[in-house]
Amino acid sequence: GAVVSQHPSWVICKSGTSVKIECRSLDFQATTMFWYRQFPKQSLMLMATSNEGSKATYEQGVEKDKFLINHASLTLSTLTVTSAHPEDSSFYICSAREYLGQETQYFGPGTRLLVL
Amino acid sequence: GENVEQHPSTLSVQEGDSAVIKCTYSDSASNYFPWYKQELGKGPQLIIDIRSNVGEKKDQRIAVTLNKTAKHFSLHITETQPEDSAVYFCAASIFYGLGLSGGGADGLTFGKGTHLIIQP
Repeated sequence: GAVVSQHPSWVICKSGTSVKIECRSLDFQATTMFWYRQFPKQSLMLMATSNEGSKATYEQGVEKDKFLINHASLTLSTLTVTSAHPEDSSFYICSAREYLGQETQYFGPGTRLLVL
Repeated sequence: GENVEQHPSTLSVQEGDSAVIKCTYSDSASNYFPWYKQELGKGPQLIIDIRSNVGEKKDQRIAVTLNKTAKHFSLHITETQPEDSAVYFCAASIFYGLGLSGGGADGLTFGKGTHLIIQP
């Protein structure tokens, strides 16, 4: 299957700082990527849909000004957690569809964020 | 929006026995149902998926069944092995296919997960 990478794999930051997480499709072009968040021992919750060249679509309850998404190329989407607080500590996972005619989503390995 | 219920939350089976995990969904428009396996600290790994025009799909020891009328689907793992121990998630989404706009798909709505424990 298609390979999706994320960087960094984990990050620790101070409260009030911003953190950028990268999601890359390594061997395919992804016009659509998705960002999920997973709290410990819980399920994955969709945060937003990232569309190449256009604005992201956010799920209800997700603050678009706090979680900035940029999908500037067909292989890269970034999620920036602005002014991070301890409650933003979570496991952030991205996924990508291999091509338009395919509904399968391949997930990255995730980024664990700890805000002190 | 879509709501996916998954049962059981924990399932312990003896090595070699079968394991069954069940999910129900609420949105009749959902037409794509993948199953993911997640090991601790890692991203989900797709193990099998099924589309709404198919009632059953099998891949070696893993099978998935779908009942569109009842809006439920199940994962069956036979001849379980210790390496099958993990958290399994079912999910549902709407896939729009290819269209004038190039097609699209909703993000996945996940069930709460099942912690599968294989007892040696």
